[in-house]
Amino acid sequence: GQNIDQPTEMTATEGAIVQINCTYQTSGFNGLFWYQQHAGEAPTFLSYNVLDGLEEKGRFSSFLSRSKGYSYLLLKELQMKDSASYLCAVRDQNNAGNMLTFGGGTRLMVKP
Amino acid sequence: DVKVTQSSRYLVKRTGEKVFLECVQDMDHENMFWYRQDPGLGLRLIYFSYDVKMKEKGDIPEGYSVSREKKERFSLILESASTNQTSMYLCASSISRGGLQETQYFGPGTRLLVL
Repeated sequence: GQNIDQPTEMTATEGAIVQINCTYQTSGFNGLFWYQQHAGEAPTFLSYNVLDGLEEKGRFSSFLSRSKGYSYLLLKELQMKDSASYLCAVRDQNNAGNMLTFGGGTRLMVKP
Repeated sequence: DVKVTQSSRYLVKRTGEKVFLECVQDMDHENMFWYRQDPGLGLRLIYFSYDVKMKEKGDIPEGYSVSREKKERFSLILESASTNQTSMYLCASSISRGGLQETQYFGPGTRLLVL
């Protein structure tokens, strides 16, 4: 089975940087995804990591350490529209059907 | 762009009713998924399907069934709705034969209230 933990809520200021952590325990690891979900809307794909290190995509970056079972999503130059929930999801190595296990999500509030 | 649509955004049903939630994707994806999303619990997988007429139980299949008669359509059925099935239901699809980073694409969700 898998266990995925992330903070429930975070608050940050417009223009600042925020880091959202995700820790996981899995019997086999085959990739970690981050999704963004605005209230009342569908989750949308942000990033994917399968090897250790940092993946950068504009204002968003995602980091993975497989040995530590740890990932973070880094958001720079925060904007009000970044207020949303951020979901961490892990794919199991033994998973033939592209199934994901999701964490509970982190609700980020960006304040002026 | 991948498009996943769900038949209703909001639905109100009574306890004991049979409820059908429909999901359609237009990208010829092999895999389709049904989740429910509840505050504090995140997304939990109910059922998934990796091919027409194939279905596999997820983490919380009790009280639900599914149907996949055509590749583009995946239906979630609540045989006898109960109040604890009040939730947001999200459908997703993904390609099977692509690279490792193939993500799941989500529909807009159906918010179901069972009275």
